[in-house]
This record gives sequence, C-alpha cells and structure tokens, in this order.
Amino acid sequence: EIVLTQSPGTLSLSPGERATLSCRASQSVSSSSLAWYQQKPGQAPRLLIYDTSSRATGISDRFSGSGSGTDFTLTISRLEPEDFAVYYCQQYGSSPALFGQGTKLEIK
Amino acid sequence: QVQLVQSGAEVKKPGASVKVSCKASGYTFTSYYMHWVRQAPGQGLEWMGIVNPRGGTTRYAQKFQGRVTMTRDTSTSTVYMELSSLRSEDTAVYYCARGGSSSWGPIDYWGQGTLVTVSS
Repeated sequence: EIVLTQSPGTLSLSPGERATLSCRASQSVSSSSLAWYQQKPGQAPRLLIYDTSSRATGISDRFSGSGSGTDFTLTISRLEPEDFAVYYCQQYGSSPALFGQGTKLEIK
Repeated sequence: QVQLVQSGAEVKKPGASVKVSCKASGYTFTSYYMHWVRQAPGQGLEWMGIVNPRGGTTRYAQKFQGRVTMTRDTSTSTVYMELSSLRSEDTAVYYCARGGSSSWGPIDYWGQGTLVTVSS
C-alpha cells in the first residue's frame, strides 16, 4: 500500500503569507491521482485539488497543487483568515486509497 | 444538487454491529463510486473502503477486512456500511463520500457524517 506522509504537522503563519504543504508517498502515485482536502472543525472535508493540480469547482486560484511521482505540494499563495484549517492529501490511484495524517495550518 | 444524507447517530455496546445508511440524490446513483471514510475524535481521516453502486463490487482496507460489509440498494439510491465486532476504538464519525465516475476518486461530495459511539 502507498503510505502518505505530510509535513509539517503544524504550520504557523500569518494572514497574507504564503503556505507550502508537503505530501510524500512511499511509492509512486499512479496517474497523478492525488487530491488535497481542507477540513474545518465540525465540518466534512472539502475537495480543493484533484489529479495533483486541478482545482475543484469554486476553489480560489490562491490554491494550487503540484508534484509528481512521490512528492506533492499544496501552495496557498496569500493566506486569508478562512484558510486556517487542517489539510489532508489522498491518493486514489491504487488500493487502499489512504489519506495522509494531515497538516494543521494555524494563525501565528 | 448532489446530496448524501446519512442516518443518525448510534450508540452501541462492544461486540455489537452497526449499520449506517447513506441516501444519494441529485445525480445518477449508479454512475459514481462511493467511499466510506471515518474520523475518530481529534484524529485524521481513515479510508475504510469503496463500493461500486453499478455492480455492487467492493474493496476494503485490510484493517477492516472481515468486519466491514458495504452494500447498495439501487432502488432507493442508498449505500450501507455495516461494521461488526465493535470496540471502543471504532468510536468515530463515519462519512459516505462520492468518488469518481470512471475511477475511484477524487471525493467531491461528502455526507454529513454519522457519529457512532461504542461504549459499555
């Protein structure tokens, strides 16, 4: 199975700054089948990025995804107050479709 | 609009089973895979498995093999997740979540979640 490791565990930044979140896979992810989700307390996750770099419907262009093979990145260009949340990556190209352990983005 | 409406919260004793339902609407039910994902209190997302509503085929995470059964009823556009031999570690919010049409993912819609509490 492909294990996803996210780093850092917690990222402390201020509004307006740029956030860079990493997701590293234990094996190459098939067909760039990697997604990023945002989750706020008490809510279900929300899809941000799919197929490594495609933004989901209605997602701000401040969010971008990149990477290939085993290394993937989610970048938030200018943090807004509503961006502070937990972010998960998930690969869905092979079984099991595991999630990373999450990165908490908190206000500095 | 796409909606996934799950059944209500459950309280179960250790060793019992729980069956969570997820009724889909707003799209062609048999055209999209359905994932089940759970989240223990204060923890991350855990993928449990997937069902193809078209043919009913399933794939489960090895951790749950032998304890989980995912089924669907095309007449009511509903998927079910049954977990048996419950233990305290199974206390979590369980989500159904719509996957892709030609492949498993990504997950673009989520149910509201069902809290399952396992306690003696």
